[in-house]
Amino acid sequence: NAGVMQNPRHLVRRRGQEARLRCSPVKGHSHVYWYRQLPEEGLKFMVYLQKENIIDESGMPKERFSAEFPKEGPSILRIQQVVRGDSAAYFCASSQGQGASGNTIYFGEGSWLTVV
Amino acid sequence: GESVGLHLPTLSVQEGDNSIINCAYSNSASDYFIWYKQESGKGPQFIIDIRSNMDKRQGQRVTVLLNKTVKHLSLQIAATQPGDSAVYFCAENEGGGNKLTFGTGTQLKVEL
Repeated sequence: NAGVMQNPRHLVRRRGQEARLRCSPVKGHSHVYWYRQLPEEGLKFMVYLQKENIIDESGMPKERFSAEFPKEGPSILRIQQVVRGDSAAYFCASSQGQGASGNTIYFGEGSWLTVV
Repeated sequence: GESVGLHLPTLSVQEGDNSIINCAYSNSASDYFIWYKQESGKGPQFIIDIRSNMDKRQGQRVTVLLNKTVKHLSLQIAATQPGDSAVYFCAENEGGGNKLTFGTGTQLKVEL
């Protein structure tokens, strides 16, 4: 998976707690994407970021979810006040240029969130 | 891509046979398509991509065919091996936009 690093790989949270998922893109990549996957389903787009900017957050729930990709450090997907329906695998991906224009998008191994 | 379903379609093939996995995409304005392979508990792995100005593209043991008339994409795997067993997803840059939209996926099972 070309070096996209996600952590934690597995996270258990109680309802109402916060979950923070981190993603370090492939070195040199400035485009980051977050996707969510429910069991037996495809990946659902959440947000697309470039350094310090949110380009497209059309797939992000309006409440409780936020994402950032600061100038320094990893991209963070933050879920506040988690509910059981947030249990899913969250995948981060990165590309050197705009992925949807033909720059290969590489995915990380995912962070599996379980809300109990 | 197709809308989400609760049960993945499954394709079972014998080791050594060729596999063909199909995908119907949703937006005629999409101009970039990718096939990904996902093994259980892992992230999607890039296999091959194709732009809309092409009908066919070949890689190592894999070929992608694009039929824009009927908005259909297929992935052909030659001499399928046990290690090819996984879920395969097609993805499109829906409407030529800046994000990838994934299909439901197909489970490929290789029988020995």
